[in-house]
Amino acid sequence: KNQVEQSPQSLIILEGKNCTLQCNYTVSPFSNLRWYKQDTGRGPVSLTIMTFSENTKSNGRYTATLDADTKQSSLHITASQLSDSASYICVVSAIYTGNQFYFGTGTSLTVIP
Amino acid sequence: DAGITQSPRHKVTETGTPVTLRCHQTENHRYMYWYRQDPGHGLRLIHYSYGVKDTDKGEVSDGYSVSRSKTEDFLLTLESATSSQTSVYFCAISESQGRGGQPQHFGDGTRLSIL
Repeated sequence: KNQVEQSPQSLIILEGKNCTLQCNYTVSPFSNLRWYKQDTGRGPVSLTIMTFSENTKSNGRYTATLDADTKQSSLHITASQLSDSASYICVVSAIYTGNQFYFGTGTSLTVIP
Repeated sequence: DAGITQSPRHKVTETGTPVTLRCHQTENHRYMYWYRQDPGHGLRLIHYSYGVKDTDKGEVSDGYSVSRSKTEDFLLTLESATSSQTSVYFCAISESQGRGGQPQHFGDGTRLSIL
């Protein structure tokens, strides 16, 4: 069964600290993986997208990694800011499944001063 | 920000009434999607469209219908709303199903409450 699991479910960190969010998937055959940031009351915004051949992708203070062998991805946030408080969602696509995307339930991050 | 507008942004209605949500895009993207987001479930696909008058069902399509008469507009209709359809509804668009088939841009959602 194709699934995406994210951990932790929620996380609280101090401003300026780093953190790492995890995404494990069983989707097969794997096509690509995208991380979104969703602010409260807003729609998700794409942060990074990674294909099978990509191990690391950065977007400012956000760095995503992908290990296709272990079917794990992580999103690392460096020097967190209050504006990083949001839900982070991992979405995985499989080859040949058209518009079937597999969504994780997200990690809720709170950055406190 | 990508040009996606959802309307209304908030709506409260009663069980059994029809409800139509509208999604309007100015990006001329081919693919449009309707999702619902509920606590503990993440985003779930209701219906999607791959062109004018071309639509297909998602994983939670029961009780919903859609129409797309123009590239820029995608309507979601609840023919007879039920309390289980209380949710936040998101419209999304995507230019292609090539690299990165996931939706590229989302609207800001419609919060629908059915009493």
